[in-house]
Amino acid sequence: DQQVKQNSPSLSVQEGRISILNCDYTNSMFDYFLWYKKYPAEGPTFLISISSIKDKNEDGRFTVFLNKSAKHLSLHIVPSQPGDSAVYFCAAHSGTYKYIFGTGTRLKVLA
Amino acid sequence: EPEVTQTPSHQVTQMGQEVILRCVPISNHLYFYWYRQILGQKVEFLVSFYNNEISEKSEIFDDQFSVERPDGSNFTLKIRSTKLEDSAMYFCASSGASGSGYEQFFGPGTRLTVL
Repeated sequence: DQQVKQNSPSLSVQEGRISILNCDYTNSMFDYFLWYKKYPAEGPTFLISISSIKDKNEDGRFTVFLNKSAKHLSLHIVPSQPGDSAVYFCAAHSGTYKYIFGTGTRLKVLA
Repeated sequence: EPEVTQTPSHQVTQMGQEVILRCVPISNHLYFYWYRQILGQKVEFLVSFYNNEISEKSEIFDDQFSVERPDGSNFTLKIRSTKLEDSAMYFCASSGASGSGYEQFFGPGTRLTVL
């Protein structure tokens, strides 16, 4: 039962352009969403989050959009930089103590 | 900046052996978690721990697994009798408070290889 899905396993973007990473979920009870970035051999690093009462949250080059009716969220990175190349996971808050992660999207920013 | 640390970075063990993975969460955090990631797959929740007891666990966290906070700083995951399918990256995480609005901070992970 995959409640959080990232349907694009990989994405390549030119440096300076916008990267859009997508995430879909099935459980309408999720109330908080996060994006994590992960480099090889490292743990996930928190990037940005959004509460279900909002539809947008922005932090520097990173913006997360939430469409509750579509059960869809997206992470926009603009402008994309080579250092952004990593695997990005979305995660949804479920229950009191855990987050459910998506399968990840590998972003490659081309110089 | 405070961070979550984990030791060892890589653990190799024989099937059937016991392993203990160690974590030092961020010092003022109250909630502790273990996740795992099998190679190429998603990060999966194993267990959460608060106030010296398990708060929630997944179906993966069966009787072979246990967690402990033996002192004020360490948080351990024990696998009693390892199986080949336990080979994965194990991530410890901690957060200041549970519920919405508090992100979990992850350690660098321990790569467990079961032979």
